[in-house]
Amino acid sequence: GAGVSQTPSNKVTEKGKYVELRCDPISGHTALYWYRQSLGQGPEFLIYFQGTGAADDSGLPNDRFFAVRPEGSVSTLKIQRTERGDSAVYLCASSSESGGYNEQFFGPGTRLTVL
Amino acid sequence: AQSVSQHNHHVILSEAASLELGCNYSYGGTVNLFWYVQYPGQHLQLLLKYFSGDPLVKGIKGFEAEFIKSKFSFNLRKPSVQWSDTAEYFCAVNRYTGANSKLTFGKGITLSVRP
Repeated sequence: GAGVSQTPSNKVTEKGKYVELRCDPISGHTALYWYRQSLGQGPEFLIYFQGTGAADDSGLPNDRFFAVRPEGSVSTLKIQRTERGDSAVYLCASSSESGGYNEQFFGPGTRLTVL
Repeated sequence: AQSVSQHNHHVILSEAASLELGCNYSYGGTVNLFWYVQYPGQHLQLLLKYFSGDPLVKGIKGFEAEFIKSKFSFNLRKPSVQWSDTAEYFCAVNRYTGANSKLTFGKGITLSVRP
């Protein structure tokens, strides 16, 4: 079956611009996660959705970052007034409702470069 | 806050050598433990996981890991590596809360296997 997909695969933008990154989770997965991976680091948690609502947004670095999942499937991560430090690979993962024993399936990521 | 430590950043081995990659975590409660692998040009894939039961877990491609609760460790092992094992390896943990929750990753270890 289809895995997690993310678009675009690469995004180059200028400092101060607005960007949107999209994630299509595995069909039927209720949980969706966003992570950010900087060079030489492991993925760092940003936000987690259970259905349409953000169950945990403690990883969002500041109010320039926002994410939505209006219909409980596709999610969009939005970054306003981008800064060079936002350059990273943004990863999306999804998992099924499994009572706490969840395996997260990752997408290929979107590589964001802020010039 | 929970954290994950991976002891080496880059490991270089010859084919057929044995492999052990260290992972320690700092959360005292019940945890789920994972090793993910990222082959060059590919996305993160689950190698193996520990939820409960037998602390020695076997994963894909001949990998295994042992959970030692008293040492807060979940080291990854393989008796004989192959050139195709060249990849980046991430240890990750999430707290067992009865519901889905975020993963905390280590910084990752780059494994290079010489043919």
